[in-house]
Amino acid sequence: QVQLQESGPGLVKPWETLSLRCNVSGASIKSVGYFWTWIRQPPRKGLEWIGTIYFTESVYYNPSLKSRVRLSVDSSKNQFSLELSYVTAADTAVYYCARLRDEWGHFDFWGQGVPVTVSS
Amino acid sequence: ELVLTQSPGTLSLSPGERATLSCRASRDIRRNFLAWYQHKPGQAPRLLIYGVSRRATGIPDRFSGGGSGTDFTLTINRLEPEDFAVYFCQQFESSPYTFGQGTKLESK
Repeated sequence: QVQLQESGPGLVKPWETLSLRCNVSGASIKSVGYFWTWIRQPPRKGLEWIGTIYFTESVYYNPSLKSRVRLSVDSSKNQFSLELSYVTAADTAVYYCARLRDEWGHFDFWGQGVPVTVSS
Repeated sequence: ELVLTQSPGTLSLSPGERATLSCRASRDIRRNFLAWYQHKPGQAPRLLIYGVSRRATGIPDRFSGGGSGTDFTLTINRLEPEDFAVYFCQQFESSPYTFGQGTKLESK
């Protein structure tokens, strides 16, 4: 069974960088046709796609966040990561990692999510 | 940006009844890249339907998806107690990939 688990600090100060990691088990992060994705949900709002990375390090970002986001992958550890810089209160959200299957563009496995609050 | 609008916001039904949830797109989804998910508090979202009507592995056949163009539906027949949750749709037709705001299915 594929499992994804997010980890990282739950509190980040304004204007600092939010860093999260997603550990993948039960599948190789180098599997062909599978992409690795970050999604977030601010309080009382809908889900927002942040960005997607392939193991070859091809990346695809939401234009609304592109200037502040960086995704990376560590194949040796079967992990991928998110960095979001210059955070503000608007970046407070539950952050999810998920696996995207490109055949039909759906997220077939998700992590449980990690809440992140931006506050001084 | 392709906007997905779900209705109703909340649906109150009893076990055994049928639920019909709607997802309307702001423009045609021509390649059938439309998926549905179930989300319960504190849990990982669960894929139900992909490619408009394809059931994911292990999903009971009381869940079905349909539609085309801009109008899509998720139907849940014979509601079970464990079906009460939030459901949201998602498109992969064009970037940025977007989600509906969700429909909360609650027990009457």
